Amino acid sequence: DTEVTQTPKHLVMGMTNKKSLKCEQHMGHRAMYWYKQKAKKPPELMFVYSYEKLSINESVPSRFSPECPNSSLLNLHLHALQPEDSALYLCASSQDWGQGYNQPQHFGDGTRLSIL
Amino acid sequence: AQTVTQSQPEMSVQEAETVTLSCTYDTSESDYYLFWYKQPPSRQMILVIRQEAYKQQNATENRFSVNFQKAAKSFSLKISDSQLGDAAMYFCAYRSGNSGNTPLVFGKGTRLSVIA
Repeated sequence: DTEVTQTPKHLVMGMTNKKSLKCEQHMGHRAMYWYKQKAKKPPELMFVYSYEKLSINESVPSRFSPECPNSSLLNLHLHALQPEDSALYLCASSQDWGQGYNQPQHFGDGTRLSIL
Repeated sequence: AQTVTQSQPEMSVQEAETVTLSCTYDTSESDYYLFWYKQPPSRQMILVIRQEAYKQQNATENRFSVNFQKAAKSFSLKISDSQLGDAAMYFCAYRSGNSGNTPLVFGKGTRLSVIA
């Protein structure tokens, strides 16, 4: 069983829709991440939150809007997405960000997103 | 910038045999951490093994071991007694130990097939 839970597992949406992806962990981790993964490619980092504050935004388009309401929860709000945004979106968490260089990231199962 | 190279897009191994996946990296840093992640068709990225650059001893985790050659900047993964459940995409990843705000750098991955 994964310790990082992502919902929904699959999402199909139109380009004008607004939807949200949700990620939850109860391991006491203080760093959480969003990755985008295209087929047969490695994950690409999108955002890093450390202690509920945005630490890294890898020049992600504004149609993706992250939110970290508390230390256990990470959301990704989607609006006006493009077909090329179809991908697997992975959430991960780790014990820390600044000090935990060697702390592994624990990944969720991902949300398979399809944009029509 | 650091780069991670996995030169084998695909590998196959007979069940119960041993296989080695290669990974090389480029960095000017002396303090860093290396990881191997496994991603089966179920999509979840699972940490297989990690190595601290300051440690000379190669990491081992049950049937998984690494051959860490710091001077050659090589970090290969050996899987012994291969099992059908080992079939997956394997990603090698690097993380800097010099700064708190550096993400994982992934290689492009190696798809491992296990033949019964």
